[in-house]
Order: sequence, then C-alpha cells, then structure tokens
Amino acid sequence: QQQVKQSPQSLIVQKGGISIINCAYENTAFDYFPWYQQFPGKGPALLIAIRPDVSEKKEGRFTISFNKSAKQFSLHIMDSQPGDSATYFCAASMTSGTYKYIFGTGTRLKVLA
Amino acid sequence: EPEVTQTPSHQVTQMGQEVILRCVPISNHLYFYWYRQILGQKVEFLVSFYNNEISEKSEIFDDQFSVERPDGSNFTLKIRSTKLEDSAMYFCASSPEWGKETQYFGPGTRLLVL
Repeated sequence: QQQVKQSPQSLIVQKGGISIINCAYENTAFDYFPWYQQFPGKGPALLIAIRPDVSEKKEGRFTISFNKSAKQFSLHIMDSQPGDSATYFCAASMTSGTYKYIFGTGTRLKVLA
Repeated sequence: EPEVTQTPSHQVTQMGQEVILRCVPISNHLYFYWYRQILGQKVEFLVSFYNNEISEKSEIFDDQFSVERPDGSNFTLKIRSTKLEDSAMYFCASSPEWGKETQYFGPGTRLLVL
C-alpha cells in the first residue's frame, strides 16, 4: 500500500531524445507527487511536482503526466542533454499526514552525447 | 539561495560506537526529516520532526536512533550503537510552514560502519 514502483531501473537516451520514467502507486491517499534529481555524491534536488487535480504539469523541458484512475505518473524529459545524466526518483506523500515521502527505487539516466 | 547543510560529509566508525549526524535546516523551516539511502537502493524515510517532537517514525527508526533539535538551528540524528547494516547515506531534509509538501534535502552524510 505504501510502495511506489518505478521503472525502468536504467535508461540510455541519445542527446536530443525524450526520456520517459514511469511510476505507479497503490495508496489513493497520496496527493503530492514530486520528482527528484540526484547527481552522484549529492542530495536529491526537487525537479518538478504535481498534485492529482491536474493531469499534466510542464516546467521547461520537464513534464509530469498524471493518470489518477490508473494511479500512475511519469516524467518526460524533452530534448535530453548529457547534463541530465543523473538518477531520478519519483516520490509520493500524503499532505494530510506528516508529509513523509515514499520514494520509488530510482532510474539511472544516461544521455549520450 | 538557502540550503540544508550536513556534517560530516563522511563518517567511519566501529560497530557498537555512537555517532551523531548533524544538519542545519533552512532557516525558518519548521518541518524536519531524516532519510537514509543504502548504496544502490532507494531513499527511505526514517523520521519526521515538528514542534520539537517526533511526528512519525518508520520501522527502521528503532530504539538505537534518536533525534534532537538542541539549539533552534541544528537538527541531529544519533545512532547509539551502530551496526554494520547502518552503513548508508543519511539525508536531512526540511520544509517550510508555507509549502510544507516540498522538502529540501541536504548533501548527505556517508556513514560507514566497520
């Protein structure tokens, strides 16, 4: 119930391509879904986040698509760049609770130059 | 831009020893968290702290763990008697009253228990 499943585990994309990372959750009480980017040796940094009252949110080259009925959400990175090479984590939290994050297992993205 | 800081960046300790990991959350943030990430695995919630008390803790956060906000700026995680399986990266995070759903993470402390 508390799990967030993330796929793929790793992803290789050509420069300029689209990177797509998917997450699924079970607990319908989750109502805040952030994506974090983590570079080696660094802490996770917030990339973009969405609430279930919208189906899509776009910030620059990053877009979250949200499917409430399927309990799935995905991150799309358009025009992927080598500098995007990092590990991406999706997360979910309940804003009615303590706001703790349940993280997905992470996706290691490598963008080839 | 304000950021969460953590010290030390690396800590090596012997099994059974006590360690204290320190965090300075972003000023005026009121919600504080500790997470850990075992090498190659996902980030896991340990504990949340608000209004000078624990608001939630995970199954991982047993009696060997404690948290404290000793002076209004630092937020510490103490592991009383470290085990080999405590080896991990420990992240502190904080969030403001307004926009509390967004957590800001520190760079982490890599703990190695020998």
